[in-house]
Amino acid sequence: EAGVVQSPRYKIIEKKQPVAFWCNPISGHNTLYWYRQNLGQGPELLIRYENEEAVDDSQLPKDRFSAERLKGVDSTLKIQPAELGDSAVYLCASSLEGVHEQYFGPGTRLTVT
Amino acid sequence: QKEVEQDPGPLSVPEGAIVSLNCTYSNSAFQYFMWYRQYSRKGPELLMYTYSSGNKEDGRFTAQVDKSSKYISLFIRDSQPSDSATYLCAMIDPRDKIIFGKGTRLHILP
Repeated sequence: EAGVVQSPRYKIIEKKQPVAFWCNPISGHNTLYWYRQNLGQGPELLIRYENEEAVDDSQLPKDRFSAERLKGVDSTLKIQPAELGDSAVYLCASSLEGVHEQYFGPGTRLTVT
Repeated sequence: QKEVEQDPGPLSVPEGAIVSLNCTYSNSAFQYFMWYRQYSRKGPELLMYTYSSGNKEDGRFTAQVDKSSKYISLFIRDSQPSDSATYLCAMIDPRDKIIFGKGTRLHILP
C-alpha cells in the first residue's frame, strides 16, 4: 500500500514569493492533516479536513496561508507571500475517519531566503 | 506551562541498553497517548498507541501511561543503532486534536 505522498520534497524561495505544497493521502483515508514542524519542535497542526470540509483551521494563519481539498482526496497548501519565519518542514498526514492513528508523508522542507 | 513537556535530549546510550523516554502533560482530559519515531528528513511514524493507564508492549517497545501523575513513558529494550531517531510523544485533546511534544533525540552507540 502506498503511503502519503508529498511534493516537492524541498523548496527554496525568496521572501514575498508564493509557494504551494501538494499532498496525496493514503487511499481510503477521509481525514487529512497539514502540519508545520519547526527545527527541534514537534509538528503543529495547521488544518484538518474531513473529506472536503475543513473542520479545524484555527491554527492556520489565514492572512497568508490557504488550503484546499477538492473532491476530498488530494490537498494543496499555499503560502502567499512567504516570510522568513515560514521556513520549516510542512507535513501532510492522513487517517481513516474517526481513527486517531495518523500516517505521515515525508514532508516538504521549505527555506525562505 | 506547555500542555506537553518532553526533554529534547540528546540522549546517548550504548547498544543493548534499555532506553527510557518520558513526557509529562498538564491537561487531565487527555485520553489517548501515542509515540512516534522520526528519522532525519522523514515524517513521523507511529510506534505505539494507548488509551488507558498501564502498560502496552509491542516487541522491544513498551508504552506506559500513568494518568494520576500525568506521565507517559516509552521503553526500548535491547536498543539497536537503528533505533537512533527522534521520539515524539503525542496526545489527543478533547477537541480531537493531536498535541505533540518537542521530541527527544536518541543516539544508540555501537
